[in-house]
Amino acid sequence: AQTVTQSQPEMSVQEAETVTLSCTYDTSENNYYLFWYKQPPSRQMILVIRQEAYKQQNATENRFSVNFQKAAKSFSLKISDSQLGDTAMYFCAFIINSGNTPLVFGKGTRLSVIA
Amino acid sequence: DSGVTQTPKHLITATGQRVTLRCSPRSGDLSVYWYQQSLDQGLQFLIQYYNGEERAKGNILERFSAQQFPDLHSELNLSSLELGDSALYFCASSVGQGIGGTQYFGPGTRLLVL
Repeated sequence: AQTVTQSQPEMSVQEAETVTLSCTYDTSENNYYLFWYKQPPSRQMILVIRQEAYKQQNATENRFSVNFQKAAKSFSLKISDSQLGDTAMYFCAFIINSGNTPLVFGKGTRLSVIA
Repeated sequence: DSGVTQTPKHLITATGQRVTLRCSPRSGDLSVYWYQQSLDQGLQFLIQYYNGEERAKGNILERFSAQQFPDLHSELNLSSLELGDSALYFCASSVGQGIGGTQYFGPGTRLLVL
């Protein structure tokens, strides 16, 4: 079974600082996609960043970047220059690239950005 | 705004009742997924439809059913509701059948069963 583990239930960071959220996953598949979703207090699920497993280059999206270590099955999210609006639950998720398989989510990390 | 719409936003009902949640995918997306998020929990996959056909099933109770219509909107039917069914129900859509396709989420329907 595919699993996603987020070992940090809660984290906090000072405004303008950098924070890294951890995620590990377990799969025997070789072809898959990884995602980070953000869920602010409004509870909307917002896509933050996506990584294709076949790409060695780490994905970046403005202040958000990932450190993808395929061999270690690790997919951490780095948020630079943290802003108050980054306060949210962050979910790591992945999907096997074989069709008809759902997104598998971790339990989330609650991030608080402190002024 | 993801382009995925869900109605209603809030729903309050009583145990034993039946409700229908509606989802309209993004323009051009053929796949619709339903997820359940209980309080302080991650998202649990319920079911997926692609172009009108059921494609994958997750932890969906027998009291729950779904369908996708020719115009691609989807409905999730929850019957014989129990207190434990209170949750946030998300619909997501993607272009393909899940093959690497990014899923975009709607705003969710908050269901409260009293």
